[in-house]
Parts: sequence; C-alpha cells; structure tokens
Amino acid sequence: GESVGLHLPTLSVQEGDNSIINCAYSNSASDYFIWYKQESGKGPQFIIDIRSNMDKRQGQRVTVLLNKTVKHLSLQIAATQPGDSAVYFCAETAGYSTLTFGKGTMLLVSP
Amino acid sequence: DADVTQTPRNRITKTGKRIMLECSQTKGHDRMYWYRQDPGLGLRLIYYSFDVKDINKGEISDGYSVSRQAQAKFSLSLESAIPNQTALYFCATSGNRGGYEKLFFGSGTQLSVL
Repeated sequence: GESVGLHLPTLSVQEGDNSIINCAYSNSASDYFIWYKQESGKGPQFIIDIRSNMDKRQGQRVTVLLNKTVKHLSLQIAATQPGDSAVYFCAETAGYSTLTFGKGTMLLVSP
Repeated sequence: DADVTQTPRNRITKTGKRIMLECSQTKGHDRMYWYRQDPGLGLRLIYYSFDVKDINKGEISDGYSVSRQAQAKFSLSLESAIPNQTALYFCATSGNRGGYEKLFFGSGTQLSVL
C-alpha cells in the first residue's frame, strides 16, 4: 500500500480569498460523502454532506462539489476567514456502511 | 455541556498497563464509535456499536476491546498497552438508524504509552 508520511497536505491562503480543498476517493460504490472540520485540540465537526445523486450542494459560505466520473470531491470556502484555519477531512460510505475518512488537509489562513 | 464527553482528556501510561477510556453521550443516539487518529493517517475505526447488545470490529481492532454498558456509555480498553498505541482517540455517536451516518465527535483523549 501507499506509504503515509507524518505531514498533512497544507493549503495556505490569505484572508478573504476563496479556498478549495480536494479529496479523491477510490470506491466507485460510495454514495454518501461528508466534510468535517477539526480545529486544534477539538474533535471533528460536521460541515456539509452530499449524496451521490447530486453534484453540488451549498451551505453557508461552503460548497461541496462531487464528480463521480473521476471520483473527486471538493470543498469550497468563500471569503476565507482566520477562524477557518483547521484540518479538513472528507469521508465516504457506500450503502449505509461505516464512514471511511481521508487523511486530511490543513488550511492556514493568514490575515 | 458537551453532548459527547470523553474521559480522561489526557493519559500517560506505561507499556503493559491496562487502561480504559470512557465515553458518555447525552444525544440519545443508538450508535457509538471509537476512532484512533495518528498524524498524517486520518481517523481509523477501532470498534463500533449499533445498540447495547451489538459490538462490531472496525479496521484496527487488534489490541483493543470495548464495552457498551448502556445506550449512553461506550468504553475502550487496552488490555496491555504498547507504545504504538500512542495516539489521539475519539468517541463518536450517530443517530441515523438504517440511514447514512452523520457522526458527532467528542473532544478526544490523548494517550501516551511509554
């Protein structure tokens, strides 16, 4: 299997910019996807979810895009704020099974 | 008050010791989970329980055991701790019966095994 390093992929943006965090998944049967945000010293918090019968879903300042053809998920954050700095995880499941989490991306927002 | 409470928040122990991590929830959810988080590896499922009489192994159950004492309580035990069990442990709950999971996490327990 793929070796795993200790360092997370990191996205650095300026306050006010739009951020795009990407996630690739491998299971073509996955039909439900979630994004979580984890701030330092806290547990992951739900941000937004999407089912496979949709390709886009919007929340407050966040949009999730799903491309099933290439098995790719993205989280877009509009007008990124310092409080958005955190580690972001995607998770997937197929047929109501348990969630499988990605390894996470760290978002750093500078003023 | 937190809906999903984990105790202790931090624990340092020695190799070979037995240790228990506890989780309680006030969300009224049937499903409870234990995850382990290591730097760069994301969250990996150790055990999960869909109700008091149900216990299931997850991806990395070796070296761990669990007990679902009540709907609101789910504990994780390390019978003989080893250094590579040093990690951040999360308990989570879900209320979705027969549907897609949306997990609610506790604040975590940082465990160090020396």
